[in-house]
Amino acid sequence: DAGITQSPRHKVTETGTPVTLRCHQTENHRYMYWYRQDPGHGLRLIHYSYGVKDTDKGEVSDGYSVSRSKTEDFLLTLESATSSQTSVYFCAISPGQGGTEAFFGQGTRLTVV
Amino acid sequence: QKEVEQDPGPLSVPEGAIVSLNCTYSNSAFQYFMWYRQYSRKGPELLMYTYSSGNKEDGRFTAQVDKSSKYISLFIRDSQPSDSATYLCAFYSGYSTLTFGKGTMLLVSP
Repeated sequence: DAGITQSPRHKVTETGTPVTLRCHQTENHRYMYWYRQDPGHGLRLIHYSYGVKDTDKGEVSDGYSVSRSKTEDFLLTLESATSSQTSVYFCAISPGQGGTEAFFGQGTRLTVV
Repeated sequence: QKEVEQDPGPLSVPEGAIVSLNCTYSNSAFQYFMWYRQYSRKGPELLMYTYSSGNKEDGRFTAQVDKSSKYISLFIRDSQPSDSATYLCAFYSGYSTLTFGKGTMLLVSP
């Protein structure tokens, strides 16, 4: 398995609180991605990074921010969690642009109550 | 028209059957075609990766791309219960990021 770790694996939080999810990789891949996966919607890209401090928005970025201060870590922050952000969040890494050979983490199951 | 169409299933087959999973797409800029497999409560894992039209074989798995019809397929021969998973097609145009189908759930019964 590719060296990619997501933490926490499960989290329950209250509406309105900030939440940070962490993705850590040991592969030294340049590209890192955050997706959410919901029934009926499939995988949707939230944000991605193409280098340290270089990030860009994806399809569903509203309400989310990201930071990448080191190659190995990519943080996803829900600034003020809402029930619509209840989802399974996946981090992915890839050596090249576009994620043509993307490796996914095990996911974080987030519930906002 | 949706950019990617994939039947959600579930597709139920007996062990040993040949399975055909399909996706259609509308974006003619897509050049790279991928299949991911996702077991329940796990992250997706890359199964097959092809560039351009034609077939690519890897063991019991064959990926087929028909760019003229904007149609891709994944065939699984001699299907096993361990193949039970959700299969996601994915596309890349050479810029921007991946576009995923919503996945087809496959159930292989012993």
